[in-house]
Amino acid sequence: AQSVAQPEDQVNVAEGNPLTVKCTYSVSGNPYLFWYVQYPNRGLQFLLKYITGDNLVKGSYGFEAEFNKSQTSFHLKKPSALVSDSALYFCAVRDIKDYKLSFGAGTTVTVRA
Amino acid sequence: EAGVVQSPRYKIIEKKQPVAFWCNPISGHNTLYWYRQNLGQGPELLIRYENEEAVDDSQLPKDRFSAERLKGVDSTLKIQPAELGDSAVYLCASSLGSTSGTATYEQYFGPGTRLTVT
Repeated sequence: AQSVAQPEDQVNVAEGNPLTVKCTYSVSGNPYLFWYVQYPNRGLQFLLKYITGDNLVKGSYGFEAEFNKSQTSFHLKKPSALVSDSALYFCAVRDIKDYKLSFGAGTTVTVRA
Repeated sequence: EAGVVQSPRYKIIEKKQPVAFWCNPISGHNTLYWYRQNLGQGPELLIRYENEEAVDDSQLPKDRFSAERLKGVDSTLKIQPAELGDSAVYLCASSLGSTSGTATYEQYFGPGTRLTVT
């Protein structure tokens, strides 16, 4: 079975400060890892993915994430947060042998001006 | 490029009534997914199609839920009869499947249909 944990329900940061959203995962084999963002009354938007290769992956809107196999983590980061980054963020994992994507419960990010 | 289209965006029905949701995936995406997202939770897969074939429906409550993708393009998800616990957002997603020869792994989501059962 595969699963994702997002230990923080909410993250609050000031605009211009670095933003980190935590994610740990569990899969039986090698993982494919994803981050999605959801704005109110909208579907999930793809931010970035880790498939293979460099552990640091860069995605949309200045976000990046670091894959750490030993800690089974895939934390999302942004060096300087914007008020417009306020949204609900989901981490997701799938085993490379399966299409099923398992999502975490989500982390609400609030960036204050 | 047009994204995943879903309709309706909102639906309010009384319990025991039927309801249907429609999804048109991104052109060329042969894999289509239906998810249910309960309040405060991440999406959970209901069914996955490869072209017109339902290849994973293990999470679909088959006593009241049904889905079809007759021509391998758009899809309909139906609930009959609806129960109070079915209130949720129903999301459709699509991706290029393994048969396309173009390896990409992310799923693209539509805006969802928010269902309220009273």
